[in-house]
Amino acid sequence: QLQFQESGPGLVKPSETLSLICTVSGVSMNTDIYAWGWVRQPPGKGLEWIGSVYYSGHTYYNPSLKSRVTMSVDAPKSQFSLNLKSVTAADTAVYYCAIPERGIWGQGTLVTVSS
Amino acid sequence: EIVMTQSPVTLSASPGERATLSCRASQNVNNNLAWHQQKPGQAPRLLIYGASTRATGIPARFSGSGSGTDFTLNISSLQSEDFAVYYCQQYNNWYTFGQGTKLEIK
Repeated sequence: QLQFQESGPGLVKPSETLSLICTVSGVSMNTDIYAWGWVRQPPGKGLEWIGSVYYSGHTYYNPSLKSRVTMSVDAPKSQFSLNLKSVTAADTAVYYCAIPERGIWGQGTLVTVSS
Repeated sequence: EIVMTQSPVTLSASPGERATLSCRASQNVNNNLAWHQQKPGQAPRLLIYGASTRATGIPARFSGSGSGTDFTLNISSLQSEDFAVYYCQQYNNWYTFGQGTKLEIK
């Protein structure tokens, strides 16, 4: 059974880079069957897709975030990562690793942007 | 970008009643439409994919319909555990989510 677990700092300073890792269990990442994705949810608000990355390295980002986002896969470690640079308070959110249409969601991790 | 619009924003209903939630896409998404339920403090849970296929373990009182640009989620007889926020999501051209419908107890 495919499962995700997010990890990373819960507090990031403005203008710095938010970095999160998603650890995958239950399946080998050495495949392009899955698009490994990130979704975020600001407190009290709705869901926003950030982007997705394939094992091959192909990436697809939300146009509204594309200039600040980088994603990658580390298959031997069964992990994929999110980097979001130049963060502001508006990036405060619960960040999920997810393949939503397959019903696979991590538990989410709250990242607060504050000095 | 495909914009997903859900209505109503808030739906008040009583246990045992039927609830109908709507979702409209700004362009054709074929049947690449999912519905998710989210309760406070929890990750979303997939209810429906392919516009009308229930995900594993989802009760039969949940049903989805529609294709193209107009979609509906019906809950035939509301149970107490169904009061939550519901999101539609298109995955025909990457992903976009609707803004959510909050289903609250009347």
